[in-house]
Amino acid sequence: LAKTTQPISMDSYEGQEVNITCSHNNIATNDYITWYQQFPSQGPRFIIQGYKTKVTNEVASLFIPADRKSSTLSLPRVSLSDTAVYYCLVIVGSYIPTFGRGTSLIVHP
Amino acid sequence: SAVISQKPSRDICQRGTSLTIQCQVDSQVTMMFWYRQQPGQSLTLIATANQGSEATYESGFVIDKFPISRPNLTFSTLTVSNMSPEDSSIYLCSVEEKDMRDTEAFFGQGTRLTVV
Repeated sequence: LAKTTQPISMDSYEGQEVNITCSHNNIATNDYITWYQQFPSQGPRFIIQGYKTKVTNEVASLFIPADRKSSTLSLPRVSLSDTAVYYCLVIVGSYIPTFGRGTSLIVHP
Repeated sequence: SAVISQKPSRDICQRGTSLTIQCQVDSQVTMMFWYRQQPGQSLTLIATANQGSEATYESGFVIDKFPISRPNLTFSTLTVSNMSPEDSSIYLCSVEEKDMRDTEAFFGQGTRLTVV
């Protein structure tokens, strides 16, 4: 299973763009990169998924370089409500691996 | 997207007793997953539950401690047996759905268990 490494915590301010990078050096050909967001006392919530290059949805963008050994979740213009833990996962097909430690993002006023 | 209801949302239990957590999904799903999230920690997969077969447990988790039922494609239960304070945690059930673009996992709100 591909192991992921991401920063334990990050701080930002309202209105800024936040980029969280995840390393997954052992990613396999069939693996997809998926990010989840978790607020306190709630289950994780899907944010975005990608295989290569760039993926964008209404919430975030995901940048994946050609070698796919890392990925960057980009949150544009964060607000206080974006304070949460963000998990990077590498998923093969229908198998859901154990979550990594995640990145605790704190957005300050 | 799948909607998952978990019951109870929280409970305080005496050590040595057992608690059964229910997970109801609003659509039929092949696999359901049970996770544990200890205070301040990430999620750890306990087991995968398929309808009609025994659950598959991850390393460190055993059926005697965490028996799982999966009677149909929309429902599952996880029992935490013979509880001790170390079992105090949030327990979450999860399902996945695939569409044309993504494979998403959906989670229940979790059951916050405190063992005293």
